[in-house]
Amino acid sequence: QKEVEQNSGPLSVPEGAIASLNCTYSDRGSQSFFWYRQYSGKSPELIMSIYSNGDKEDGRFTAQLNKASQYVSLLIRDSQPSDSATYLCASFGGSARQLTFGSGTQLTVLP
Amino acid sequence: SAVISQKPSRDICQRGTSLTIQCQVDSQVTMMFWYRQQPGQSLTLIATANQGSEATYESGFVIDKFPISRPNLTFSTLTVSNMSPEDSSIYLCSVDVVEGAFFGQGTRLTVV
Repeated sequence: QKEVEQNSGPLSVPEGAIASLNCTYSDRGSQSFFWYRQYSGKSPELIMSIYSNGDKEDGRFTAQLNKASQYVSLLIRDSQPSDSATYLCASFGGSARQLTFGSGTQLTVLP
Repeated sequence: SAVISQKPSRDICQRGTSLTIQCQVDSQVTMMFWYRQQPGQSLTLIATANQGSEATYESGFVIDKFPISRPNLTFSTLTVSNMSPEDSSIYLCSVDVVEGAFFGQGTRLTVV
């Protein structure tokens, strides 16, 4: 069983729409959660971190964490073609000594 | 945040040879991490490099194949030894800071 699971996609949304990316994790002791954006041929770039239940907003990005449901999501409002990338969810804490990454969700924003 | 310089950015190597990848950080960090990302896949941790001690390898990775050096708190190298086409991948170094992990630019390795 994967420790961090993401909806595999690919996900396509029209420009201006809200993109919703989801992630679940199995280790209840996980304390920190991260979203990375990875453009093709580039290294992952940290875009959001969240540690407490609820929502955290940064510009067009909102991360949501529900520890009871072991669920993390990333919402991208007013999606732009430049948001087209693979988004990686990662967790840290509990029994893990290092970041645990999901398999990623490929997002395409259609102009 | 941290600025991480990794080189080479890409290389094409003959099977049976070795390649050493360098990673330089702009600040002192306790731990550095080496990942592999195979085409279309997520990141797999190879090993954790601590200054002054031997690296800690994850299951499936061994020191003879992926020797790591960590001579100081800002620098590390990963060597991919006796390469085969199955080693073709992107190799990434990373450091953890309070806000999350930051990655170098990656090394795209092709073994022919």
